[in-house]
Amino acid sequence: ETVLTQSPGTLSLSPGEGATLSCRASQSVSNNNVAWYQQKRGQAPRLLIYGASRRVTGIPARFSGSGSGTDFTLTISRLEPEDFAVYYCQQYGTSLTFGGGTKVEIK
Amino acid sequence: QVQLQESGPGLVKPSETLSLTCNVSGSSISSGYYWGWIRQPPGKALEWIANIYHTGRTSYSPSLKSRVTISVETSTNRFSLRLSSVTATDTAVYYCARGHPWAYWGHGILVTVSS
Repeated sequence: ETVLTQSPGTLSLSPGEGATLSCRASQSVSNNNVAWYQQKRGQAPRLLIYGASRRVTGIPARFSGSGSGTDFTLTISRLEPEDFAVYYCQQYGTSLTFGGGTKVEIK
Repeated sequence: QVQLQESGPGLVKPSETLSLTCNVSGSSISSGYYWGWIRQPPGKALEWIANIYHTGRTSYSPSLKSRVTISVETSTNRFSLRLSSVTATDTAVYYCARGHPWAYWGHGILVTVSS
């Protein structure tokens, strides 16, 4: 099973700042099949990025994904108030697994 | 638009079987896509449970495989989850979803395992 480790566990930032979230896989992810989700309290997750770097239609351009192999990154260029949430990475290259999440909180 | 809605009992006794259904609208289950279940224990991370493709091909989480069955009912455009021999550690919000990865999600249903 491919284990995904997300870091940091919590990111404390101010609106307007940039955020960099990391997702490391225990083995290379097939076809870079990594997705990123945003989850707000009491809501279902929302798909932001798939295929490591492809942004879902309607997702703001401040969200971008990058990486390949075992190391993947979600970058939020300038945090808006609505971006403070928990973010999960997921690999769907071999079976399916989620990372443990990164909470982006207001500093 | 595509909508998914979970239904089922909110309380299940230990050792019994948890059964949930996902009603799908705006998309035909038989027309394609993966359909699946994901759960989230209170305050914890997401955990994938199972997938079913429109052809009937299934995939299960290795840690839950011995207790899980996912099935599709094309006549009613819904799919179901059965999780046997539940314990308190199975208490979670259960989500149904469509896609690969998951682009569409239900709102989730809290299932508590308790006597």
